[in-house]
Amino acid sequence: DIQVTQSPSSLSASVGDRVTITCRASQAISHYLAWFQQKPGRAPRSLIYAASNLHSGVPSRFSGTGSGTEFTLTISSLQPEDFATYYCQQYKTYPLTFGGGTKVEIQ
Amino acid sequence: EVELVESGGGLVKPGGSLRLSCEASGFTFSIHGMNWVRQAPGKGLEWLSFINSNSYDTKYAESVKGRFTISRDNAKNSLYLQMNSLRVEDTAVYYCARGLGGVVMTIDYWGQGVLVTVSS
Repeated sequence: DIQVTQSPSSLSASVGDRVTITCRASQAISHYLAWFQQKPGRAPRSLIYAASNLHSGVPSRFSGTGSGTEFTLTISSLQPEDFATYYCQQYKTYPLTFGGGTKVEIQ
Repeated sequence: EVELVESGGGLVKPGGSLRLSCEASGFTFSIHGMNWVRQAPGKGLEWLSFINSNSYDTKYAESVKGRFTISRDNAKNSLYLQMNSLRVEDTAVYYCARGLGGVVMTIDYWGQGVLVTVSS
């Protein structure tokens, strides 16, 4: 199975900050990487697919880059509604695997 | 608007069975692959199973292979997860999720989730 490792596991930031989350795959997955956002008690929301493509309705302050084994999710200017846990997922092969999550908290 | 609504969760004893359902609306269900994903209390997301649009191809995580069975009824716009030999560690919120992509699919839409509790 392809392992997916996210870092950091948590971070504290302020509204307006630029935030970057990293996801590393245990083997090359080309661009088959997705990002999800989850707020407490809510279902996940799909943000990005194919490493850099935003789903419909996702604000442009979210962006994704990377290919191969290293990927990043960047929030260019953190907004109050962005405080949540973020997960990456590889979909190069089955089983699909998720990173452990990054909790973005208010500083 | 895409909507996925899970049902069938509840409390079950270890070794018992439960069947989850997911009713889809707002899109052409019969042309999309579908997934089940779960989340144990306080834990991260775990992908469980995939079924392609015509049910010819299914995939499972090792943790549920041989115990869980994914199926669908395109005439009813419904996805199912038959869960047998349930264990305490299967306690989680279970999400139905629509597939996006080609040969291997990621997820674009999620249901609201249904809680399954396995306890004696």
